Parts: sequence; C-alpha cells; structure tokens
Amino acid sequence: EVQLVESGGGLVQPGGSLRLSCAASGFTFSSYVMSWVRQAPGKGLEWVSAISGIGDYTYYADSVKGRFTISRDNSRNTVDLQMNSLRAEDTAVYYCAKSAGLAVAFFDYWGQGTLVTVSS
Amino acid sequence: SYVLTQPPSVSVAPGKTARITCGGSNIGTKSVHWYQQKPGQAPVLVIHYDSDRPSGIPERLSGSNSGNTATLTISRVEAGDEADYYCQVWDSSSDHVVFGGGTKLTVL
Repeated sequence: EVQLVESGGGLVQPGGSLRLSCAASGFTFSSYVMSWVRQAPGKGLEWVSAISGIGDYTYYADSVKGRFTISRDNSRNTVDLQMNSLRAEDTAVYYCAKSAGLAVAFFDYWGQGTLVTVSS
Repeated sequence: SYVLTQPPSVSVAPGKTARITCGGSNIGTKSVHWYQQKPGQAPVLVIHYDSDRPSGIPERLSGSNSGNTATLTISRVEAGDEADYYCQVWDSSSDHVVFGGGTKLTVL
C-alpha cells in the first residue's frame, strides 16, 4: 500500500525558514517523480515543486523559485522541501504527491498534508 | 504561462448529469487529469490522460478533451459526489504543473 506522510509544518515568522519532509513507502521510491503541492486556506491547489526519480532534475513554480529547494534521499525514501524567506502568502497545507512514473504528468497518490502558517 | 479556466460552481440534482469544464488554449493537444477533493481531505485522482479511470473510480465518471475544452462528466450524480474538482496539465513549454482554479460541485 502506498503511503506518503508529511511532517515539519508549523508556525514561522515572515522571513523565516522551515523544512518539510515526506516519508514514502509501498513503492519503489527512486522510480518515481515526487512533488509538493500546496493549498492556501479556502483556495485551490497550487503546484510548488517536483524532483526526478534520481534527483537530477528539479522544477519550481515561479512563486517559490529561488526561495524553496526540493531534494530527495532515495536511501531513506524521503523527499524534503526547504523553504526560506517565507512570506504570509506561503501559508497553506503542503501535500506530498507521487507521480505515476518517470515524468511529472499527474499525481496518483497524495499525503494528508502538513500545515504551514507564516505569521508574526 | 498556461492558464486553465474552470467555472467556480456547478449545481445538479441527484440522478442527473453534471459536466465540469476546463478551458485552455489548445488544451486538446495536452493530457488532462482530474482530481476530486472533499472537505478536509487530500485530493484523489479520478481521471488521467483525458479519459482513463484509475481503479476504484466508478464508471459514472468520464472525461473528454478536444479543442479548447476538457470536460469531466459525472452521470447519475449522487450526494457523495459533492466535492471540489480540479483539472491539471503538464505544461511542457514552461516545465510547470498547472491546475485549474477548481469547481465546487453542489448536489441539490
């Protein structure tokens, strides 16, 4: 059974940093693109970042490029999102999502999400 | 950047057919994927590659894609179909995932 479990969310001040982690199980982790998708309170889904199976390619939404960094550890089956220079508009539930293959394409499994609140 | 446009809301009576559209420039040349999200829950994939259903998704849900509009059709709508629905594509020109703004389906 595929499981994705996010952790690391919380309250952080504007300008601060936070690191999210997603622990994956139930599939051959290194064979799949992994992504982060966020949802601000009462708003729609917004893709944040993706990373290829072996970590050689990364992709970022324009809204986070230069502030967020995605990485993965295939020995531990984890994918992380380092978030720096956080802004109020980064407040959202952050979901870890698995793509169906080696391309980003679409997301066949999602975690339950972790809430990030940026506020003073 | 590529934009996907969805109606904010669609209402339908139980047993009737709901159609949720997703508009985009030449979207028919892209693969469209659909997600259902109920309150407080993570999204669930309901249609991929325009019209394919993942296992466990009822046949009442179907998808189509042509020209500038992709459509998610839900036949014989049930109360349990009430949810937000999002379309999504991969924009290869920008290497970005793009989501539509979402459509809230209300079952009357």
